[in-house]
Amino acid sequence: RKEVEQDPGPFNVPEGATVAFNCTYSNSASQSFFWYRQDCRKEPKLLMSVYSSGNEDGRFTAQLNRASQYISLLIRDSKLSDSATYLCVASGYSTLTFGKGTMLLVSP
Amino acid sequence: DVKVTQSSRYLVKRTGEKVFLECVQDMDHENMFWYRQDPGLGLRLIYFSYDVKMKEKGDIPEGYSVSREKKERFSLILESASTNQTSMYLCASSPRSGWEPQHFGDGTRLSIL
Repeated sequence: RKEVEQDPGPFNVPEGATVAFNCTYSNSASQSFFWYRQDCRKEPKLLMSVYSSGNEDGRFTAQLNRASQYISLLIRDSKLSDSATYLCVASGYSTLTFGKGTMLLVSP
Repeated sequence: DVKVTQSSRYLVKRTGEKVFLECVQDMDHENMFWYRQDPGLGLRLIYFSYDVKMKEKGDIPEGYSVSREKKERFSLILESASTNQTSMYLCASSPRSGWEPQHFGDGTRLSIL
């Protein structure tokens, strides 16, 4: 079974901290990778796509390491509003495979 | 913006009832998906569809069926609801490639009593 594995956390960090999440995927044929954000009792929302060369969107940086089959998300200067669960996603044979998520709690 | 609309945010039904959950998307997406999400188990794929009148089983199809009579609408049916089907149900859609990001509806929190 093809899986996406994440540390469930929670990661407790103070405002302003830098925090990094990793996830591993087992399907070496995966072509597309994403990070989603899910607030408590809400639907998942696309945060960013992940490209081989790495990509940045403001305070968020995503990296892909195909050789080791892992994906990372770095959040700089954490805000209280970053508190959420972050889902790692990799494409499977016919659809996407979602990780169970990593919970982030940012405190004042 | 992609809009995926689920018919109910909260629903309470009784054991043995036939339950319909409706999902409509307005972006002409080919692919539509139904998931359930439970604490500690993450998102689990129930069924998906690549085209009208076409369906594929996901990881946990038992006890469910689906219908896609029109491109924009994908219905999830609980044939005879049971208490272990109490969950958050999420519908999603994506363009033609199964590798494109999926866009989710608000979710339906279903309770079976």
